[in-house]
Amino acid sequence: DAGITQSPRHKVTETGTPVTLRCHQTENHRYMYWYRQDPGHGLRLIHYSYGVKDTDKGEVSDGYSVSRSKTEDFLLTLESATSSQTSVYFCAISDPKKETQYFGPGTRLLVL
Amino acid sequence: AQSVTQLDSQVPVFEEAPVELRCNYSSSVSVYLFWYVQYPNQGLQLLLKYLSGSTLVKGINGFEAEFNKSQTSFHLRKPSVHISDTAEYFCAVSETSWSNTGRRALTFGSGTRLQVQP
Repeated sequence: DAGITQSPRHKVTETGTPVTLRCHQTENHRYMYWYRQDPGHGLRLIHYSYGVKDTDKGEVSDGYSVSRSKTEDFLLTLESATSSQTSVYFCAISDPKKETQYFGPGTRLLVL
Repeated sequence: AQSVTQLDSQVPVFEEAPVELRCNYSSSVSVYLFWYVQYPNQGLQLLLKYLSGSTLVKGINGFEAEFNKSQTSFHLRKPSVHISDTAEYFCAVSETSWSNTGRRALTFGSGTRLQVQP
């Protein structure tokens, strides 16, 4: 298994509160991604990173920000959580030699 | 931009029967193709991928898929399913060329839930 961990694994929060999810990799890969998974939508890209301090938006980036101060960590922040952000969040890393993305175990977020 | 259509949201099948999960894609550029499996309450695991070469790709757990460029399809098949194959299956594509930022993100279909019954 690719060395990807996510924390927390489960979180319940209230509308309007800030939330930060963490993705940590031990593979030293340059490319990292945040996706959200919702029924009927598969996985959709929120933000991605192509290096330390290099990030860009995906298709569903509104309401989210990211930061990457170290190769191994990619943080996803919900500045002010809303009920529409209730979802399962997956982090992924890309191995360019294998042309393959590997996924973390996911974080289940419930916004009340 | 790419899009992926998984034609069946649910596929019920009896144990030891064959199964085919359908995937069609649309893209203006060359793509790589992937199938991932998600077991209940778990992350996504790569089943197989097509990058180049033979259009018939074999993956883990006895699954295989065939890339058909003219039909823009990448259907997943297994000749005999087991109860343990019950899971959700996702088809995904990515561009073959790196953009300036090296995005190469995956575009996913909406998933097919395979339910294997005894």
